[in-house]
Amino acid sequence: DADVTQTPRNRITKTGKRIMLECSQTKGHDRMYWYRQDPGLGLRLIYYSFDVKDINKGEISDGYSVSRQAQAKFSLSLESAIPNQTALYFCATSDYSESEQYFGPGTRLTVT
Amino acid sequence: KQEVTQIPAALSVPEGENLVLNCSFTDSAIYNLQWFRQDPGKGLTSLLLIQSSQREQTSGRLNASLDKSSGRSTLYIAASQPGDSATYLCAGRGGGSYIPTFGRGTSLIVHP
Repeated sequence: DADVTQTPRNRITKTGKRIMLECSQTKGHDRMYWYRQDPGLGLRLIYYSFDVKDINKGEISDGYSVSRQAQAKFSLSLESAIPNQTALYFCATSDYSESEQYFGPGTRLTVT
Repeated sequence: KQEVTQIPAALSVPEGENLVLNCSFTDSAIYNLQWFRQDPGKGLTSLLLIQSSQREQTSGRLNASLDKSSGRSTLYIAASQPGDSATYLCAGRGGGSYIPTFGRGTSLIVHP
């Protein structure tokens, strides 16, 4: 089984809809991250969390919110989706000591 | 703030060639540097992680080096194969940050 899983893997939604992307990990890591990837722009950090009670904004948090329900679960929400949020979304984890990041398979989100 | 640059953005080589991918970073007080592979539309797979106290790491046909004084890391791929075709990204974590900064990647094509 994969160490970092994301659901759904693909999602098409309409402008204005609320959508939640979920991430679960079995690596036992404290640190979790949400990124989006756009062609030509690379990976950009949306939010990150270093433990269940710690939530931090990344460089592009506007229009997004997150919830860290447990050490193993980190959800990303788009309160009112807009077309320029169409992108590939990745969840990642890392531990404290080594800081090596492990990525999930990604969610391809299309907002029409 | 750490900045990470990868040049060239794209590279095409014949099978069997030894090749070097470059990653430059601005903060010499780098904590660690990680190399990833990404296949089209897929997640990032960690290849090698080099801590600031290390000069290089090896895994099979891959060798990554870290030169903090010059702000460079290289990923050496020996005897390239068509299956090595992918985008390779590096991510450096600056000494004063808990968050890695990603380069935009080098897209590699190895043709038979």
